[in-house]
Amino acid sequence: TQLLEQSPQFLSIQEGENLTVYCNSSSVFSSLQWYRQEPGEGPVLLVTVVTGGEVKKLKRLTFQFGDARKDSSLHITAAQPGDTGLYLCAGGRSYIPTFGRGTSLIVHP
Amino acid sequence: NAGVMQNPRHLVRRRGQEARLRCSPMKGHSHVYWYRQLPEEGLKFMVYLQKENIIDESGMPKERFSAEFPKEGPSILRIQQVVRGDSAAYFCASSLGDNSPLHFGNGTRLTVT
Repeated sequence: TQLLEQSPQFLSIQEGENLTVYCNSSSVFSSLQWYRQEPGEGPVLLVTVVTGGEVKKLKRLTFQFGDARKDSSLHITAAQPGDTGLYLCAGGRSYIPTFGRGTSLIVHP
Repeated sequence: NAGVMQNPRHLVRRRGQEARLRCSPMKGHSHVYWYRQLPEEGLKFMVYLQKENIIDESGMPKERFSAEFPKEGPSILRIQQVVRGDSAAYFCASSLGDNSPLHFGNGTRLTVT
């Protein structure tokens, strides 16, 4: 089983701050996805990264896939209360994504 | 709304009863996944199905749990003789196929009393 370790587990910051969360594994992934989950709802796909070293931007969110395709990071610039949620990374066997435990982010106004 | 639909949203069962969770995939999706989520454990894979076939059930307990995805109608996750440890949020996701991203429903929260 491929394991995905996410850090930090919890993050509480003020509006306007920048932050980075990480997703690491000892295994190589063919692709990796980032999801955001709000309380009482299902995860919503944010991005898929495929190529080692790839960088994707989604407004204030920047996603990077490591050169060796074993790790990924999510950087949020000028966080807003609406960014609050559980951020999950997922990857693994081609048809069964394995999920990390997530980073729970709270952005205070 | 053509998203993944799960029902019921909340389900309360007494120990020993049966729980039936339903999932209608997104239009055009023929691949369905069931995951279970507990706060301290994250999302755990249970079973992967295509129409009328179970492709991978390696994450599903051998006893009391079963899943189906019939030719017509929603996918069903069935838990027989529920125990308190079955209390969790159960999420269904669908996709177009291998390597396609998963689209999740809003889950069924099962509480066993």
